[in-house]
Amino acid sequence: QSVLTQPPSVSGAPGQKLTISCTGSNSNIGARYDVQWYQQVPGTAPKLLIFGNSNRPSGVPDRFSGSKSGTSASLAITGLQAEDEADYYCQSYDSSLSGWVFGGGTKLTVL
Amino acid sequence: QITLKESGPTLVKPTQTLTLTCTFSGFSLSTNGLGVGWIRQPPGKALEWLALVYWNDDKRYTPSLKSRLTITKDTSKNQVVLTMTNMDPVDTATYYCARLDFWSGRDFDCWGQGTLVTVSS
Repeated sequence: QSVLTQPPSVSGAPGQKLTISCTGSNSNIGARYDVQWYQQVPGTAPKLLIFGNSNRPSGVPDRFSGSKSGTSASLAITGLQAEDEADYYCQSYDSSLSGWVFGGGTKLTVL
Repeated sequence: QITLKESGPTLVKPTQTLTLTCTFSGFSLSTNGLGVGWIRQPPGKALEWLALVYWNDDKRYTPSLKSRLTITKDTSKNQVVLTMTNMDPVDTATYYCARLDFWSGRDFDCWGQGTLVTVSS
């Protein structure tokens, strides 16, 4: 049972917009700790996609955006492409655990 | 260019101690604000943070495994070592090391390729 809750799967057609949610609590996201998002193509290491809730590292397309409100965060992907098919994880810091926590992951399928 | 690479045994027996080494380049763990952590991922499951060591040798462990984990750094060799005692088949996973940049807010901005560790007799 992950500390951060994500939907197990989402799917969409090429060109569509998708949103992946990440729900936490008052000891992590709600405590104003930043949220990060990672993309993991099967068989490869995770890649940082969004840091500090809404910032993109260089090289990440602006089709990817992040937001945070209260105890939840969201990753939005616009103009869905076949190459976006991967697992996506949210991550934050938890003050009650004094450590970093991940969501359970969301498998994105491009139809 | 920042790179990290994990090394260690691919197979360990139950009750044995696992020792994994993360060798990195492109940054120094003596730089204020940097850390190196270990994250694991059982086959088909989610990521789980295990431990992290900061530039100032501050060490953090996930509470559920704290009694079994030890993380150390060797700044001169650009290495971070994780030991996990009393291995069990449920510890079978791919183990990743990753860099953390505290001041820029970039948690785990660079990752190693991972190393699969199987626990079996």
